[in-house]
Amino acid sequence: DIQMTQSPSSLSASVGDRVTITCRASQSISNYLNWYQQKPGEAPKLLIYVASGLQSGVPSRFSGSGSGTDFTLSISSLQPEDFTTYYCQQTYSTPYTFGQGTNLEIK
Amino acid sequence: QVQLQESGPGLVKPSETLSLTCTVSGGSISGYYWSWIRQPPGKGLEWIGYIYYSGNTDYNPSLKSRVTISGDTSKNHLSLKLTSVSAADTAVYYCARHRSGGSFEYWGQGTLVTVSS
Repeated sequence: DIQMTQSPSSLSASVGDRVTITCRASQSISNYLNWYQQKPGEAPKLLIYVASGLQSGVPSRFSGSGSGTDFTLSISSLQPEDFTTYYCQQTYSTPYTFGQGTNLEIK
Repeated sequence: QVQLQESGPGLVKPSETLSLTCTVSGGSISGYYWSWIRQPPGKGLEWIGYIYYSGNTDYNPSLKSRVTISGDTSKNHLSLKLTSVSAADTAVYYCARHRSGGSFEYWGQGTLVTVSS
C-alpha cells in the first residue's frame, strides 16, 4: 500500500493568514493526489483533484501543487469557515489511501 | 445535482453482516465508478472498495475477504455487505462517486454503523 503522510498534523493560524499543508507519498504517484476538506459531522468535500485542479465551486484561495511524492495544499487569506480538517488522498493505485489529516485551528 | 443517500441498520451485532444501500438521485449510476469509504469515530478515512457500473470491483486487501460491493442499475443504487463484523468495524460509512483521476466528487452524508451486542 502507498502510505500518505501529512504535515503538520495540526496547525494554528489567524484569519487572513496564508497556510500550507504538505502531503508526502511513500512512492511516486505522478499527480494522482487529491485534497479534501471535512467539517465536523459532514462528509469530506473535494477541493483539489489531480494535484492542482480546482474543483468547481471551491474558492480560488485554495490551490494545490506537486508531483511525484511531494504535494502541497495552500490556502491564501484564511476565512473563518476554513478552520477545519484537511485530508490528502492518492488515487494512483488501489488500495486508495488517505493521509492522517491536518487539523487547522484558529489562533 | 447528483445526490447520494446511504441507508441501513445503525446497529449490527458482532459476527453478523453489515448491509448498506447507497441510493443515487439526480443522475445515473451508469458510466461511473463508485466507492465506499468509512471513518471510525474521531479517526481518519479508509477506502473500502469501488464498483464500476458494469460490475467491475476492486477492494481494499485489508477487507477483501469480508466485503462485497454490488450495483443495481434498474434501482439506481449501490450496496455494501461486510461480513463477520466486530467492534473495529464501527464507523460512519460513506458512498461516493468518482470523477476523472479517481477523486471522489460527490459524497453521501454518511451513516453511522455501530457494532455492539
